[in-house]
Amino acid sequence: EPEVTQTPSHQVTQMGQEVILRCVPISNHLYFYWYRQILGQKVEFLVSFYNNEISEKSEIFDDQFSVERPDGSNFTLKIRSTKLEDSAMYFCASSERWGLQGPALNQPQHFGDGTRLSIL
Amino acid sequence: AQSVTQLDSHVSVSEGTPVLLRCNYSSSYSPSLFWYVQHPNKGLQLLLKYTSAATLVKGINGFEAEFKKSETSFHLTKPSAHMSDAAEYFCVVTPDTGRRALTFGSGTRLQVQP
Repeated sequence: EPEVTQTPSHQVTQMGQEVILRCVPISNHLYFYWYRQILGQKVEFLVSFYNNEISEKSEIFDDQFSVERPDGSNFTLKIRSTKLEDSAMYFCASSERWGLQGPALNQPQHFGDGTRLSIL
Repeated sequence: AQSVTQLDSHVSVSEGTPVLLRCNYSSSYSPSLFWYVQHPNKGLQLLLKYTSAATLVKGINGFEAEFKKSETSFHLTKPSAHMSDAAEYFCVVTPDTGRRALTFGSGTRLQVQP
């Protein structure tokens, strides 16, 4: 069964440094997402991406965050100047399509195993 | 706006006994609802989804969930727990029409005793 893959599985970075988290979505999927889960807290939405642009972002996704699809397979999340509070598990997800006719056609999002980001 | 409440942060059952993980939702529109499972050091795996078809939804590994609009509930059940079911379970609701951000519940940790 096709799956979403994320690298690295664990990233340790000094505060203030830039970090890039990488994801390879399922090949025929069109929508891509990043979520994060701070230890002991809920999974939170960061951003969704479609047709080479951000389609939606949360309040968490401020100017220090950016996403990119540099080629036909990778989807990256960049944090420009990391802070201690950026330490979390970051999940990438992808989905096939979104129904224009309502929720009955929504396709589920498929998640990767996550990248644990530790900021020192 | 939508929200999800998982009523139990931790559930412990004995192997072979039934599992009930409770979820209540709030949504302005007819929601799509999902249950995801997260095993230790693994990603989020889709267990099942409800998208306004049958109200009783069957998923993988013997799990099922029933959508009850009158009670705004989407509880997850399994007739007989297995040791491998021990994991964190998340109830998830889709956003209002046109948005894609999933809203997660806080999770229920299922412990299965031998």
